[in-house]
Amino acid sequence: AQKITQTQPGMFVQEKEAVTLDCTYDTSDPSYGLFWYKQPSSGEMIFLIYQGSYDQQNATEGRYSLNFQKARKSANLVISASQLGDSAMYFCAMRDFSGGYNKLIFGAGTRLAVHP
Amino acid sequence: EAGVAQSPRYKIIEKRQSVAFWCNPISGHATLYWYQQILGQGPKLLIQFQNNGVVDDSQLPKDRFSAERLKGVDSTLKIQPAKLEDSAVYLCASRTTGELFFGEGSRLTVL
Repeated sequence: AQKITQTQPGMFVQEKEAVTLDCTYDTSDPSYGLFWYKQPSSGEMIFLIYQGSYDQQNATEGRYSLNFQKARKSANLVISASQLGDSAMYFCAMRDFSGGYNKLIFGAGTRLAVHP
Repeated sequence: EAGVAQSPRYKIIEKRQSVAFWCNPISGHATLYWYQQILGQGPKLLIQFQNNGVVDDSQLPKDRFSAERLKGVDSTLKIQPAKLEDSAVYLCASRTTGELFFGEGSRLTVL
């Protein structure tokens, strides 16, 4: 069965510094996709970045980048130049094709606090 | 483009009462999901619709939860009777291809 593990319940970082949020996954499918979502206190899940298993390059979106290490089955999110507005819950998710339809399975999340 | 709309945002009920949540997905999105997010946990899929048909309800507690998606657009999730452990945020999401787009969620408190 597919599984996503986020081992850091909470992280803090100083404003303007970089931070890495860990995510490891387990799947037997050769084709898969990995997502990161941000959930501020308002509750909405905001899509940040996507990495496909066959993508040759690590994904980047503005200040977000994904450190994808396929052999280690890890897909860590790197946030550069942290801002106070980055304080939120962050979820790693994997696309699951079982049953023939796409769905996402999520990790438990990491709460990030950015300090001024 | 309008996002995924959900209502109500908040609901407080007594155990054994019933509650219904409504979701209006992004226009044209064929796939609709309901997730349950218990405090401190990641979202867990309850049910997935493709147009108006259910394609995955393996984690839906069918003795108390039901959901429908009439005409392949809006969806309603119902809980009857509610238990204390149903206290959670119920997130609706929709997609065509690529990422899921989520609504702001409906927060349920069962007393």
